[in-house]
Amino acid sequence: KQEVTQIPAALSVPEGENLVLNCSFTDSAIYNLQWFRQDPGKGLTSLLLIQSSQREQTSGRLNASLDKSSGRSTLYIAASQPGDSATYLCAVPTQGGSEKLVFGKGMKLTVNP
Amino acid sequence: DAGVTQSPTHLIKTRGQHVTLRCSPISGHKSVSWYQQVLGQGPQFIFQYYEKEERGRGNFPDRFSARQFPNYSSELNVNALLLGDSALYLCASRVTSGALYEQYFGPGTRLTVT
Repeated sequence: KQEVTQIPAALSVPEGENLVLNCSFTDSAIYNLQWFRQDPGKGLTSLLLIQSSQREQTSGRLNASLDKSSGRSTLYIAASQPGDSATYLCAVPTQGGSEKLVFGKGMKLTVNP
Repeated sequence: DAGVTQSPTHLIKTRGQHVTLRCSPISGHKSVSWYQQVLGQGPQFIFQYYEKEERGRGNFPDRFSARQFPNYSSELNVNALLLGDSALYLCASRVTSGALYEQYFGPGTRLTVT
């Protein structure tokens, strides 16, 4: 059974820091991994999708890496800003190419001005 | 282009009542999934529909049901509401079935059961 873990559950940093958010999963036979952002009381915004054949994916100040063999992904946020404050979740298919996503509990990020 | 839309935004119901939540996928997307997110947790998969057929069901009781219409919009129905059904219900769409493509989420419906 696929399980996803995000540690720590919360992080508070001053503006300008470079950040690394961690995501680990138990079943390495995944098609891809998706990172989402969620603002309080809102839906999920897709940030990056990394296919299993890729090692990295970049969008602006965001860079996500995937290491299937070790069951890990990291989301790197460069030069953090107060507007980056949100909860970040990672998700993988339950198995193989399944449509169903298994989510971590998320990591609440606060960037202080 | 409009993203995934959901209605209503908020809903307050009493225990034992029934509720219907609605979702319109991104234009051209044929796969719709429903997730339940309770406070402080990640979303939990409820259903997936593709081309009006149920393709997957999560570990939820039979009080939960859904359907997809010819225009690919979808409804989630919950009968005999319990306090524990209070959550944010999220709808997601994908261009086609399978994990290969990115999944896009709507803003959610906040359901409160009193």
